[in-house]
Amino acid sequence: DVKVTQSSRYLVKRTGEKVFLECVQDMDHENMFWYRQDPGLGLRLIYFSYDVKMKEKGDIPEGYSVSREKKERFSLILESASTNQTSMYLCASSLGSHQPQHFGDGTRLSIL
Amino acid sequence: GQNIDQPTEMTATEGAIVQINCTYQTSGFNGLFWYQQHAGEAPTFLSYNVLDGLEEKGRFSSFLSRSKGYSYLLLKELQMKDSASYLCAVRDESGAGSYQLTFGKGTKLSVIP
Repeated sequence: DVKVTQSSRYLVKRTGEKVFLECVQDMDHENMFWYRQDPGLGLRLIYFSYDVKMKEKGDIPEGYSVSREKKERFSLILESASTNQTSMYLCASSLGSHQPQHFGDGTRLSIL
Repeated sequence: GQNIDQPTEMTATEGAIVQINCTYQTSGFNGLFWYQQHAGEAPTFLSYNVLDGLEEKGRFSSFLSRSKGYSYLLLKELQMKDSASYLCAVRDESGAGSYQLTFGKGTKLSVIP
């Protein structure tokens, strides 16, 4: 089975902090994705990556950056956390663009 | 841009059949996925349609009509464990030859005895 592991299930940070969310997959997938999920808004794509050191902006990249130094790891960075970034963050990976995405368990991030 | 619509909530009775509809508008359609998400858990893949027609997988089936921008997920012999949110996601070309998924807001299905 595909395993997508997110480093934390729950995280509390303060406004202005730099926050790192880590995601690791163990199936040698090319593609990795970061989403946030908010009530009434559904899943929204922040950034995605189709290869090492490659990244593309999704629908809501403002306030975020990403890093993919190794194929198995995709990090989401909140440069200066703000309260409107309080959300559930979900990482996903897929073997190819036609293949289904497999999701991690999510990180519930609260910015105080 | 993308516009994906699905009902917010539905209720159905254990043992019955329920159909969850999804309509979409997109410029570069390249497939449609259905995911199931139980409360507090990650979404899990249910089905994928890229050509018109019905895909059957056990109690679950998914239908696609590209000309109408329409899909539905059909759940038969409903069980209590089917209570979950069902997410419709459309894959389209986002530019420079790459693709991304855009998700609908999800349909929360409640199965009652």
